[in-house]
Amino acid sequence: EAGVAQSPRYKIIEKRQSVAFWCNPISGHATLYWYQQILGQGPKLLIQFQNNGVVDDSQLPKDRFSAERLKGVDSTLKIQPAKLEDSAVYLCASSESYNEQFFGPGTRLTVL
Amino acid sequence: GNSVTQMEGPVTLSEEAFLTINCTYTATGYPSLFWYVQYPGEGLQLLLKATKADDKGSNKGFEATYRKETTSFHLEKGSVQVSDSAVYFCALSLDNYGQNFVFGPGTRLSVLP
Repeated sequence: EAGVAQSPRYKIIEKRQSVAFWCNPISGHATLYWYQQILGQGPKLLIQFQNNGVVDDSQLPKDRFSAERLKGVDSTLKIQPAKLEDSAVYLCASSESYNEQFFGPGTRLTVL
Repeated sequence: GNSVTQMEGPVTLSEEAFLTINCTYTATGYPSLFWYVQYPGEGLQLLLKATKADDKGSNKGFEATYRKETTSFHLEKGSVQVSDSAVYFCALSLDNYGQNFVFGPGTRLSVLP
C-alpha cells in the first residue's frame, strides 16, 4: 500500500514570507497529524484531525500557522509570515483507530 | 503533564555489542508505549509497541517490555549491526485514537564496524 506522501521535500524562504506544505495520508486513515521537528529534538504535535474536524490544536501557533483538511483526505499546513525559529522538518502522519502512526518523509523548511 | 524521558546520546557501539536505550514516562492515564526509529534522511517508522503492563514488543531483534511499576520501556538488542545506526524515539499515547501522542527527544545510535 502507498505510504504518506508529502511535498515539497525541501523549501527555503526568507523570513516574513509565506509557505505551504501538502500531505496525502494513507487511504482510509481517518486521523491525520502535523508535527514540527526541530533539529536534535523529538517531533512536537502541531495539530490532529479526525476526518475533517480538528481534535487537538493546542500547540499550534495560531497567529501564524493554519491547517485544513478538506473532505477528510488531503491536508495543507501554512505558515504566514514565517520566522527564523520556524526552521524545522514538518512531518505528516496518519493512522487508523489503533494508535499506530505512519509517517511521511517530511518537508525540511529553512527560513533565512 | 505527560512526558517521555530518554537517555542522552549519542550512543556509540561496536558491531555485535549489546544495546540498551533507557526510556521512562510520566502520564496522567494508562498509556500505550512505542519505539520509533528514524534513519538518516527518512521519516519515522514504528519499531515496536506495547499496550499494557508486562507486554513485550519486539521487531527486527529489538525488544522492550512495558514496566508499569517503574514507568519504563527500555529498548534492547542483543547484537547491533551497522545498519541499526539511526535516531530512536520513545513515545506514548493515551487513547486508542492516538490523542495526546508525546515523543521523547530521541537518542542517536552510531554502530561502528
